[in-house]
Amino acid sequence: DAGVIQSPRHEVTEMGQEVTLRCKPISGHNSLFWYRQTMMRGLELLIYFNNNVPIDDSGMPEDRFSAKMPNASFSTLKIQPSEPRDSAVYFCASRNRKYEQYFGPGTRLTVT
Amino acid sequence: AQKVTQAQTEISVVEKEDVTLDCVYETRDTTYYLFWYKQPPSGELVFLIRRNSFDEQNEISGRYSWNFQKSTSSFNFTITASQVVDSAVYFCALRPTIQGAQKLVFGQGTRLTINP
Repeated sequence: DAGVIQSPRHEVTEMGQEVTLRCKPISGHNSLFWYRQTMMRGLELLIYFNNNVPIDDSGMPEDRFSAKMPNASFSTLKIQPSEPRDSAVYFCASRNRKYEQYFGPGTRLTVT
Repeated sequence: AQKVTQAQTEISVVEKEDVTLDCVYETRDTTYYLFWYKQPPSGELVFLIRRNSFDEQNEISGRYSWNFQKSTSSFNFTITASQVVDSAVYFCALRPTIQGAQKLVFGQGTRLTINP
């Protein structure tokens, strides 16, 4: 079975540009999570969805960040405008009904 | 408050040694779930195990074993006969079951280096 799929794997962009990260969860999983990982702060939960509905976005840093899940097989995390401090690895994870979260390979974002 | 503490920031051992990674958690929930994840140098996070709070049986999977002690709020992970491929950062995580609190609370991770 395919795991969680994320694209792109690497993104380098200039400050001020819009960045869109994409995620395809594991089929049949009903929850989806977006995380950010940095050396300074470790793993931070940004937002999660249950059945495509955003449940908790309290971890989203600020209005520059937005996330959508238009259907059960696709989600996006958008940063507009991007800033150097947004540089991090962004993980998407999906969860089955046994509460097991499976992570994607991550997107390494560098904002110059 | 929900909290996971992995007191060992880094561990370095020689191949074939046994090594135990400690995890201590805090929660007021009576029902919760505990997890271990592995993050190898390639960067992905790999799910290793999930444990229910009401199941204190220890678990063994090949060279990996987990010791869950509810009395001391610990969920330790032991690798027997370690191998170089076990080198990774290992995260312990807690999922409380308070309504609405469906997030995983992660520890800071333990960086394990297995030297040949």
